[in-house]
Amino acid sequence: GAGVSQSPSNKVTEKGKDVELRCDPISGHTALYWYRQSLGQGLEFLIYFQGNSAPDKSGLPSDRFSAERTGGSVSTLTIQRTQQEDSAVYLCASSADWNNSPLHFGNGTRLTVT
Amino acid sequence: AQTVTQSQPEMSVQEAETVTLSCTYDTSESDYYLFWYKQPPSRQMILVIRQEAYKQQNATENRFSVNFQKAAKSFSLKISDSQLGDAAMYFCAYRSAFYGGSQGNLIFGKGTKLSVKP
Repeated sequence: GAGVSQSPSNKVTEKGKDVELRCDPISGHTALYWYRQSLGQGLEFLIYFQGNSAPDKSGLPSDRFSAERTGGSVSTLTIQRTQQEDSAVYLCASSADWNNSPLHFGNGTRLTVT
Repeated sequence: AQTVTQSQPEMSVQEAETVTLSCTYDTSESDYYLFWYKQPPSRQMILVIRQEAYKQQNATENRFSVNFQKAAKSFSLKISDSQLGDAAMYFCAYRSAFYGGSQGNLIFGKGTKLSVKP
């Protein structure tokens, strides 16, 4: 595809359930990022993958959050035992390299925990 | 750690007029990149304009231009001839130019909601 693709577009889940959010970056992009955007807030960095290097997990808010990137392409963000405060839009972005190339964002997944 | 501050939560402009959105940042690094992103209701973040810190010349993209003041750590966005389609959230963002500096991720301000009146 031409852009970053995220699925699902919207997800409603019950408190305590696990959810998986998917990101399909632009082909050939080595860097992939996950951000969280709470209502009316800016973007909060979660995790960053660059090529085959160990991911930067410094932004993950708790051990209930994890992410993986298989084969240097598709990434999955997993939230275990969801809480109401996890409700937000989760945005994925990719870039051709780690510094100069701009980030290209997907349309995000809106997660609602009831 | 780097921080980005947008002091205007909301702004309003009349169609065809000019508006300036403010952004300041704090860093001890000498080389970095600055960005303005637009986020319409569709949620997708769209790159508006980019500035390399080592360049003194202000970046310009059609109706969008920046006023980059490195010493003051200021990076404002000017939108000329505002159009209804410019209505959106605008985010200022910082990215280190050094590998290992914030690991290449963007550090965002909290955004400015721009309304355009017909």
